[in-house]
Amino acid sequence: GAGVSQSPSNKVTEKGKDVELRCDPISGHTALYWYRQRLGQGLEFLIYFQGNSAPDKSGLPSDRFSAERTGESVSTLTIQRTQQEDSAVYLCASTNNRVSYEQYFGPGTRLTVT
Amino acid sequence: SQQGEEDPQALSIQEGENATMNCSYKTSINNLQWYRQNSGRGLVHLILIRSNEREKHSGRLRVTLDTSKKSSSLLITASRAADTASYFCAGTYSGAGSYQLTFGKGTKLSVIP
Repeated sequence: GAGVSQSPSNKVTEKGKDVELRCDPISGHTALYWYRQRLGQGLEFLIYFQGNSAPDKSGLPSDRFSAERTGESVSTLTIQRTQQEDSAVYLCASTNNRVSYEQYFGPGTRLTVT
Repeated sequence: SQQGEEDPQALSIQEGENATMNCSYKTSINNLQWYRQNSGRGLVHLILIRSNEREKHSGRLRVTLDTSKKSSSLLITASRAADTASYFCAGTYSGAGSYQLTFGKGTKLSVIP
C-alpha cells in the first residue's frame, strides 16, 4: 500500500514569501504529525492532528506557522513571511494510535529560504 | 527541547562488527522507539520497547531499556554497509496526550565495507 507522501520534495523560496507544504497520510490513519529537522539535529515536534479533535499546536515556533487538516486526510503546513532560520526538512508522519505508537514518516520537504 | 540524547554522536565500524548506540532521556516514558534515517530524509521505524519491558529483539537488532537509569541501548549485530545511517531514539512521554515523539540528535553510523 501507499505510504505517507509529501510535496514538494524540495522548495527554495525568498525570505519574506509564504510557503505551503503538503502531506498525504496513510489511508485510515487517524493521527498526523508535523516535525521540523534542522541540519544535523533531531526532529522537533510542531503540530498534531487526531481525527476531528482540536489540534495540539504546542510545538509551533511562532504565529507565522499554521497547519490545517481536513478530516483524516491531507494536511497542509503554511509558513508565512519565511525567514532564513525556517530552512529545514519538514517531515510528516501518520499513525493509527488505536493499534500502535509506531509513526510512519513521509520523505520530507527540504525548505531553503534564501 | 529535545529530551533524548544519543551517544556517541558518530560511530564508524568495519562491516561484520557490532554497533552499540546509547540513548538517555529525562522524564518518565510510556515507550521508547528507535528509528533509522537515511540521507536526512524520511525516518523508518525499527523497534519499540515499552516501559515495562527490559529487552527486545528484532532480527539483528537488540534493544534494552533501563527505566531506573532512564537509558536505552540499540545493538546492531553483524553490521552491513547498508546499515550506514543516522539512528534516533524517541520517547513517548507520560502526560503527552498527543503521543508526540521527542527525538534526540541521533547517532551517525558509518559501516565500512
